[in-house]
Amino acid sequence: AQSVTQPDIHITVSEGASLELRCNYSYGATPYLFWYVQSPGQGLQLLLKYFSGDTLVQGIKGFEAEFKRSQSSFNLRKPSVHWSDAAEYFCAVGAGGNKLVFGAGTILRVKS
Amino acid sequence: ETGVTQSPTHLIKTRGQQVTLRCSSQSGHNTVSWYQQALGQGPQFIFQYYREEENGRGNFPPRFSGLQFPNYSSELNVNALELDDSALYLCASSLGGSVTDTQYFGPGTRLTVL
Repeated sequence: AQSVTQPDIHITVSEGASLELRCNYSYGATPYLFWYVQSPGQGLQLLLKYFSGDTLVQGIKGFEAEFKRSQSSFNLRKPSVHWSDAAEYFCAVGAGGNKLVFGAGTILRVKS
Repeated sequence: ETGVTQSPTHLIKTRGQQVTLRCSSQSGHNTVSWYQQALGQGPQFIFQYYREEENGRGNFPPRFSGLQFPNYSSELNVNALELDDSALYLCASSLGGSVTDTQYFGPGTRLTVL
């Protein structure tokens, strides 16, 4: 069965510091991978997605993610975090044709 | 362009009652997916409706049911509510029923079952 693991429940970074959020997936075929962000009281917003091709994908708000098949990972990165990036981040894998399987999320706190 | 909207924002029910949640899809979208997000967890897929037909279902019992209307808005119905049904219910609309079609999420309905 498809699954997604986000090992870090909480992460705190200083404003201006770099960020990496980890995501590992389990899926038998070539995965479709996504990162979403959820701010309090808001729905999920798509940051970026990977289907095929270049394994480094660029997304909105300055985020990028790298697909590494050998490590079954799809880590999210940002070179310089802003206070407005504080939110919860979810990694997801597209499974079974039409559904998304999400990880449990990582809460990002940004300290000034 | 109007985004995905959900109603109500919050509601409180008691165990054994029934509830209906509503979702209006983004203009031009013919697919709606429903997810349950329990506190501290990621969203879990309940089911998807594509052009008024159920198009896939997650591991939820039959007391979770849905509808999609000709204007592609959708309802999620939950019968015989249980305490564990307390969660944020998210709907997402998309242009098609494939996972490669980007899903746009609404803000959710927070359901509390007492």
